[in-house]
Amino acid sequence: ELKVEQNPLFLSMQEGKNYTIYCNYSTTSDRLYWYRQDPGKSLESLFVLLSNGAVKQEGRLMASLDTKARLSTLHITAAVHDLSATYFCAVDNTGTASKLTFGTGTRLQVTL
Amino acid sequence: NAGVMQNPRHLVRRRGQEARLRCSPMKGHSHVYWYRQLPEEGLKFMVYLQKENIIDESGMPKERFSAEFPKEGPSILRIQQVVRGDSAAYFCASSDNRETEAFFGQGTRLTVV
Repeated sequence: ELKVEQNPLFLSMQEGKNYTIYCNYSTTSDRLYWYRQDPGKSLESLFVLLSNGAVKQEGRLMASLDTKARLSTLHITAAVHDLSATYFCAVDNTGTASKLTFGTGTRLQVTL
Repeated sequence: NAGVMQNPRHLVRRRGQEARLRCSPMKGHSHVYWYRQLPEEGLKFMVYLQKENIIDESGMPKERFSAEFPKEGPSILRIQQVVRGDSAAYFCASSDNRETEAFFGQGTRLTVV
């Protein structure tokens, strides 16, 4: 059974600081997703990572994938308050792109 | 082009009542996925449907829950005889085929009192 673990579960950081969220998964995967969720809202797709060594960047967020280590990271550079949200990684290992196993989420709070 | 539409956005039911959650996929999408999110948890896959067919229901509870996606109209997730533990956010996602990423709706927040 595929398990997806994220850490930390909660992260409080000051504006301007850098930090990394980790996502470990237990079996080989076809692709890995990162999503953002604001309170009471739906999921916003941030990144889809398809292959070993994949790196994608959008603004202050950068995601990477190491399939050999079964590890993905979401790196936050110079955090701003607007990045406060819950971030989920999700893994597809069935060949069905949207039958996903989600991590427990990392609740990020960026303080002024 | 409207996104994935779910309704109602909020639903309150008393224990023992039935809950019906609707999902209209994006235009041109024939694949629908339902997920449940319990408070402070990640989403958990429930069921994957294609028009008129259930493809994978491995995440559906064995009793009281059912899903359909008819030829015409929205996909429906039906929960019979709701209990407090059914209180959660239910998300629907749709895609145009099984190999492409799906887009999520806004969710229906079910509260059982």
